[in-house]
Amino acid sequence: DAKTTQPTSMDCAEGRAANLPCNHSTISGNEYVYWYRQIHSQGPQYIIHGLKNNETNEMASLIITEDRKSSTLILPHATLRDTAVYYCIVRVGGSQGNLIFGKGTKLSVKP
Amino acid sequence: NAGVTQTPKFQVLKTGQSMTLQCAQDMNHEYMSWYRQDPGMGLRLIHYSVGAGITDQGEVPNGYNVSRSTTEDFPLRLLSAAPSQTSVYFCASSIGVHYGYTFGSGTRLTVV
Repeated sequence: DAKTTQPTSMDCAEGRAANLPCNHSTISGNEYVYWYRQIHSQGPQYIIHGLKNNETNEMASLIITEDRKSSTLILPHATLRDTAVYYCIVRVGGSQGNLIFGKGTKLSVKP
Repeated sequence: NAGVTQTPKFQVLKTGQSMTLQCAQDMNHEYMSWYRQDPGMGLRLIHYSVGAGITDQGEVPNGYNVSRSTTEDFPLRLLSAAPSQTSVYFCASSIGVHYGYTFGSGTRLTVV
């Protein structure tokens, strides 16, 4: 699976959009980009995933660059409850595929 | 629909003891995994399963055994507990390779 690079930490003002970047320059054609978050000591929570098209769901939007070497997770209106560690994971499909977590980005949403 | 249920939530073991961490899901998911998380670190994959009767090793499998006799259950066995196995253990399940995983709330294990 491709390696990902994320900033260690980011701050965001409550009510503003939070844009979390992820670099995955060695991604291959059959690898998906997944985003998870972990709030305090809870189990990780799945947010969104995509292959090459931009994706949106009720939680967030995922923007993947045309060359697929980087992506951005967007939380449109961040709240204090969005304070968490956000993990960007690149994963190959197939029976050998599984989640490999890095250290993620610690997002702090401030009032 | 309970999702992924892990038991127990907390456990203290003595060095050398064995125990089984239980994980059950009621979503008919084929894929299940076990992770451990140590302070200040990301999650590390221990073992995973792509269906009943099929398991494979992850990144840190030593000292742990798994089996998958049913779709619903994926227990993790510690054969002879060591202080280095003090950690938070998470179980997760997914319907398939291109879908998100649902995680349990974790088991906090201390080995003294």
